[in-house]
Amino acid sequence: SQKIEQNSEALNIQEGKTATLTCNYTNYSPAYLQWYRQDPGRGPVFLLLIRENEKEKRKERLKVTFDTTLKQSLFHITASQPADSATYLCALRPLEGTASKLTFGTGTRLQVTL
Amino acid sequence: NAGVTQTPKFQVLKTGQSMTLQCAQDMNHNSMYWYRQDPGMGLRLIYYSASEGTTDKGEVPNGYNVSRLNKREFSLRLESAAPSQTSVYFCASSGTRGPGAKNIQYFGAGTRLSVL
Repeated sequence: SQKIEQNSEALNIQEGKTATLTCNYTNYSPAYLQWYRQDPGRGPVFLLLIRENEKEKRKERLKVTFDTTLKQSLFHITASQPADSATYLCALRPLEGTASKLTFGTGTRLQVTL
Repeated sequence: NAGVTQTPKFQVLKTGQSMTLQCAQDMNHNSMYWYRQDPGMGLRLIYYSASEGTTDKGEVPNGYNVSRLNKREFSLRLESAAPSQTSVYFCASSGTRGPGAKNIQYFGAGTRLSVL
């Protein structure tokens, strides 16, 4: 069956360091992989999208990599700040089937401390 | 710019009661979605509407019905609420359609529902 896995344990890092979050998937041929941020009590907010034929995408302090051989995406936040503390979700839009659906991972909570 | 608006924000029901969760978007998006989010389970798709006039089941549709009232509005109905439906419900919308669609989704703030 199709599966998207994110580390369920919280990631605690010090301010100024680089945070790296992992998204692994199985039995999927994704056309696009997306990353969302979710703050407590709020809905997810879109951050970045990477296509299946792209290796890396950047936006300000954010970087996403996509390795379709390893079936893995890494999400990096450089020079992390306490304001980056949130839960980060990855989501896949499949290559085949309906383009109208995304499947979400369970998310990884990031805590950035001073 | 309101984006996606969900009502109510909180609701407590007794087992067997019915209710409708409302969702409206002002971005002229074609597609709309209802998810539930439970601890450790992530976001799970209940129903979606790829375009006005169509609705389809998602991963967990049992116990729910939906209505795509028009392009802006997509409602979720619980006919006979059960404690297992205690959850946070999110509505989302996305603009593009077709094989090349990126399907970036925009979410509402959620409805926190408790069924006693």
